[in-house]
Amino acid sequence: SQQGEEDPQALSIQEGENATMNCSYKTSINNLQWYRQNSGRGLVHLILIRSNEREKHSGRLRVTLDTSKKSSSLLITASRAADTASYFCATDAVGSGGSNYKLTFGKGTLLTVNP
Amino acid sequence: DTAVSQTPKYLVTQMGNDKSIKCEQNLGHDTMYWYKQDSKKFLKIMFSYNNKELIINETVPNRFSPKSPDKAHLNLHINSLELGDSAVYFCASSSYSSGRARYNEQFFGPGTRLTVL
Repeated sequence: SQQGEEDPQALSIQEGENATMNCSYKTSINNLQWYRQNSGRGLVHLILIRSNEREKHSGRLRVTLDTSKKSSSLLITASRAADTASYFCATDAVGSGGSNYKLTFGKGTLLTVNP
Repeated sequence: DTAVSQTPKYLVTQMGNDKSIKCEQNLGHDTMYWYKQDSKKFLKIMFSYNNKELIINETVPNRFSPKSPDKAHLNLHINSLELGDSAVYFCASSSYSSGRARYNEQFFGPGTRLTVL
């Protein structure tokens, strides 16, 4: 069954506003990652947060992780039109065959930033 | 400069044909993957190879056969193509790190859009 579920499925905001996307998962994880996919392109890694971390920043990105609620959020501050893309969370679950070779992706949030 | 490359970018073919997609990474990674992304953008892992050995096979039909001639290449051959095989196929690679601090940030190729008519 699918591990990550993003919420909302689609989000439309104005340039300069903040965008928040959420991800929920079902089983214990080693880490959680966020990826961005521009239309017609491959996925690009944004940020990784480990299971023992609660918050992480990278530029305009802020990721939080609540392992008790099995959820994560991605905040993009001061959004730009170039941030328009699909955003996916991916989890590396504990006990996935004893390896870390498998990431399970959610269905993604389509973010549209209007100029 | 391309980190993970795939060829071809587009592939249009008839049902029943056999086709291959090639993937190469120049990042020095030891693990490579194939993913399938359907029309609803759901991305699902198909295969994972570590040091040329198959690690993950996610209940993919045996019409799909991956081949890893070396650590930098992972090709995907598909026999007897079906309509339902139409999707975008992504290759990715990562570096495996052992121990508790392991991580697997993955680097994706640009994708191959397969259309089966």
